[in-house]
Amino acid sequence: AQTVTQSQPEMSVQEAETVTLSCTYDTSESDYYLFWYKQPPSRQMILVIRQEAYKQQNATENRFSVNFQKAAKSFSLKISDSQLGDAAMYFCAYLNTGANSKLTFGKGITLSVRP
Amino acid sequence: NAGVMQNPRHLVRRRGQEARLRCSPMKGHSHVYWYRQLPEEGLKFMVYLQKENIIDESGMPKERFSAEFPKEGPSILRIQQVVRGDSAAYFCASSPFQNEKLFFGSGTQLSVL
Repeated sequence: AQTVTQSQPEMSVQEAETVTLSCTYDTSESDYYLFWYKQPPSRQMILVIRQEAYKQQNATENRFSVNFQKAAKSFSLKISDSQLGDAAMYFCAYLNTGANSKLTFGKGITLSVRP
Repeated sequence: NAGVMQNPRHLVRRRGQEARLRCSPMKGHSHVYWYRQLPEEGLKFMVYLQKENIIDESGMPKERFSAEFPKEGPSILRIQQVVRGDSAAYFCASSPFQNEKLFFGSGTQLSVL
């Protein structure tokens, strides 16, 4: 079974600074997807960024980028120029591509942004 | 195109009552997933449905829980004879195809008194 590990329960960053959130996963598959979701206090799950395992290039979405290390099974999220609105829980998730695929989530990390 | 709609947003039940949670997927999405989130935890998969079919219910408790996604109408997650341990946020997500990114609803917070 696939597992997703987010070992840091909390992190804090100064506004306008850069922060990196860590995630590791375990799988025997070679083809899969990885995601970062943001969950603000409103509870809405918002997709931040997605990475296909077959792509070597790291995904980027504006201030958000990932460092995908397939051999190490590591998938970290970098937030540049942090803003107050970035404060939320962030979940790393894995999606297998076989039959009956489903998202597997890590426990999440709470990010606070200091003004 | 409205997003995934879940209702109610909050649901309070007493022990032994039934809870019915509704989810309307995004237009054109035929794949629906239900997840449960306990406090300070990530989302745990419960069940995956396509129209009129349960594809994977490996995360669903064997008793008291059931789910359906009829040809017409929303997907329903039904919890019979609720207990305090059922208190959680229940999220629905939909996608147009299998293995596509999921779009989530805002969840239903179930509180069992």
